[in-house]
Amino acid sequence: DAKTTQPPSMDCAEGRAANLPCNHSTISGNEYVYWYRQIHSQGPQYIIHGLKNNETNEMASLIITEDRKSSTLILPHATLRDTAVYYCIASSGGYQKVTFGTGTKLQVIP
Amino acid sequence: DVKVTQSSRYLVKRTGEKVFLECVQDMDHENMFWYRQDPGLGLRLIYFSYDVKMKEKGDIPEGYSVSREKKERFSLILESASTNQTSMYLCASSFPTNEKLFFGSGTQLSVL
Repeated sequence: DAKTTQPPSMDCAEGRAANLPCNHSTISGNEYVYWYRQIHSQGPQYIIHGLKNNETNEMASLIITEDRKSSTLILPHATLRDTAVYYCIASSGGYQKVTFGTGTKLQVIP
Repeated sequence: DVKVTQSSRYLVKRTGEKVFLECVQDMDHENMFWYRQDPGLGLRLIYFSYDVKMKEKGDIPEGYSVSREKKERFSLILESASTNQTSMYLCASSFPTNEKLFFGSGTQLSVL
């Protein structure tokens, strides 16, 4: 799996868009980018994933750069309940280990 | 609804005890994982399994073993618990076709 790099922490005002960056400069062609979030004292929860096209679902949008070396998770209207640690991973699936880093701690401020 | 169940939410054990952490999934997933989570260190992979009786070491397997006798159940074993194994333990499962992992709620283990 490609290594990913994320800022350790970010703040966002409630109601504004939260843009969380992830660097995956060594990503290979068959690796997807996955995002998870972990609310305090719970197990991580899948948010979204993509290969090279931008993706959107009911939780968030994922923007992947054309060279696929970085991506941004967008929470369009952050709420206090979005305060969590967000993890970005790059993986091709299959029968292999899945490693997480330390993620970005997002604090949504009232 | 998809479910990964960990047997205990909180567990307190003594140094030297043998500890079993159980995880059961109801989604017929081939892949199962055990992670530990410590403040400032993120999620670290201990072991994973891609089939019954198959296991692979993760990044920090020392001091742990695992067992997968049935597809739905993946057990983490601490042969002789030590205080540095006090941690939050998280189990997850997935299909091998993707990395959409489903996590349990975690077991907070304290070794005294």
